Amino acid sequence: GAVVSQHPSRVICKSGTSVKIECRSLDFQATTMFWYRQFPKQSLMLMATSNEGSKATYEQGVEKDKFLINHASLTLSTLTVTSAHPEDSSFYICSGRTSPGDTQYFGPGTRLTVL
Amino acid sequence: AQSVTQLDSQVPVFEEAPVELRCNYSSSVSVYLFWYVQYPNQGLQLLLKYLSGSTLVESINGFEAEFNKSQTSFHLRKPSVHISDTAEYFCAVSGKAGTALIFGKGTTLSVSS
Repeated sequence: GAVVSQHPSRVICKSGTSVKIECRSLDFQATTMFWYRQFPKQSLMLMATSNEGSKATYEQGVEKDKFLINHASLTLSTLTVTSAHPEDSSFYICSGRTSPGDTQYFGPGTRLTVL
Repeated sequence: AQSVTQLDSQVPVFEEAPVELRCNYSSSVSVYLFWYVQYPNQGLQLLLKYLSGSTLVESINGFEAEFNKSQTSFHLRKPSVHISDTAEYFCAVSGKAGTALIFGKGTTLSVSS
């Protein structure tokens, strides 16, 4: 199957700083990428959908000015958590898809801890 | 909009026993259905999916799921589980128009000897 990588896998930062997470599709062109957030022992909650070259569409309740998403190429999307606070600590997972109906391939996730 | 309900949060079974993980969905449009598995400390992996055609779909490791439109269900089954099947299983749905996957809350399958 297709491979999606995320970097970093784990990051610890101080409150008030910004953190960038990269999501790359290694062997396919991800026309659409998705960002999810997973709390411990809970399901994945969709944060936003981004199509290459377009602005991301955010789910209700997700602050677009806090979670900046860029999808500049067919193989790279980034999520920047701006002015991070302890409540932003979570597991962030990205996925990529070539076209509607195709399988979404998931990255291994990034564990963010904000002190 | 779609939603997914996984009826069991935890399912403990003994090795070689059969198992069924239940999933019901709701949607006002036609959907695609998926089961993903997440092993401890790993990312999500696609287990199987239903897009169209035969309502019974199978995975390479012995799992199967049947799409039942009238009951809006997509239950996952395996006739004989192994210790290595211990993981978190997520049922997910997406609209055929290409919306993102919406996940259920997950079912923890614990297989013991």
